[in-house]
Amino acid sequence: EPEVTQTPSHQVTQMGQEVILRCVPISNHLYFYWYRQILGQKVEFLVSFYNNEISEKSEIFDDQFSVERPDGSNFTLKIRSTKLEDSAMYFCASNPVRASGGQPQHFGDGTRLSIL
Amino acid sequence: ILNVEQSPQSLHVQEGDSTNFTCSFPSSNFYALHWYRWETAKSPEALFVMTLNGDEKKKGRISATLNTKEGYSYLYIKGSQPEDSATYLCAFSYGGSQGNLIFGKGTKLSVKP
Repeated sequence: EPEVTQTPSHQVTQMGQEVILRCVPISNHLYFYWYRQILGQKVEFLVSFYNNEISEKSEIFDDQFSVERPDGSNFTLKIRSTKLEDSAMYFCASNPVRASGGQPQHFGDGTRLSIL
Repeated sequence: ILNVEQSPQSLHVQEGDSTNFTCSFPSSNFYALHWYRWETAKSPEALFVMTLNGDEKKKGRISATLNTKEGYSYLYIKGSQPEDSATYLCAFSYGGSQGNLIFGKGTKLSVKP
C-alpha cells in the first residue's frame, strides 16, 4: 500500500539555524498538510497546500515557516530561524481530496525535531 | 475556538475486556469526524471517517458511533487484545476549511495480557 514518507526521522539543530523537513506524499494525492505535536500536547495543524500554493494556515505558521513542492514529488517544510519552542514531532499528511466525504488523511511516521 | 476533547486520557484494561472512549467536538459547522490509531514511532493509522449523524462504523473488533447534534463520538473495542495498545486520536474537520484536522489529545490504551 502506498505510504507517505518523511525524512529525516530525527533532526537535531542549534537554535537560530534553518531546518528543512522533507516529505514524499502519496503520488496521486492532491492535498498536502503539515502538523506538529509538541510533547504532551495535541497534534496541531500548521498548513495545507493545494495546487502549488498554501490554501490555509494556522496562527502557528508565521513568517519563520514556509512550504514548497519543488519537484512534483517532494513537499518540504522550512523553518528559517529555529527557536527552542519549535522542538516537536512534525507530521506530513496527504489526501486525494479535501478531508471530507469519508476520505481519511494519510500520515507519515513524522520527523522529531530537537532544537538545542 | 474549535476544541476537541477526549476522555479518558489513559486507560488500562485486561486482555478480553471491552472498553470505550469518548470524543467531544463542536456541534456547529460539522463536516467530518476521524478516528486514528497511533502507535509510538509509527504513523497515525486511519480507523474511521464519519460524516452523518447516527453513523456507525465497524472494523473487526473496533466500532464507532457519531452524534453530530450533540457533538460526540464513541469508539468501542470489544475483547481488547495486547496489540490494541496504542493512542486513539479523534479529529474534527469543519465546513469551509481546506480539510485541516483539529485533534483531541488522545486516549492512551494499555491492554495487559
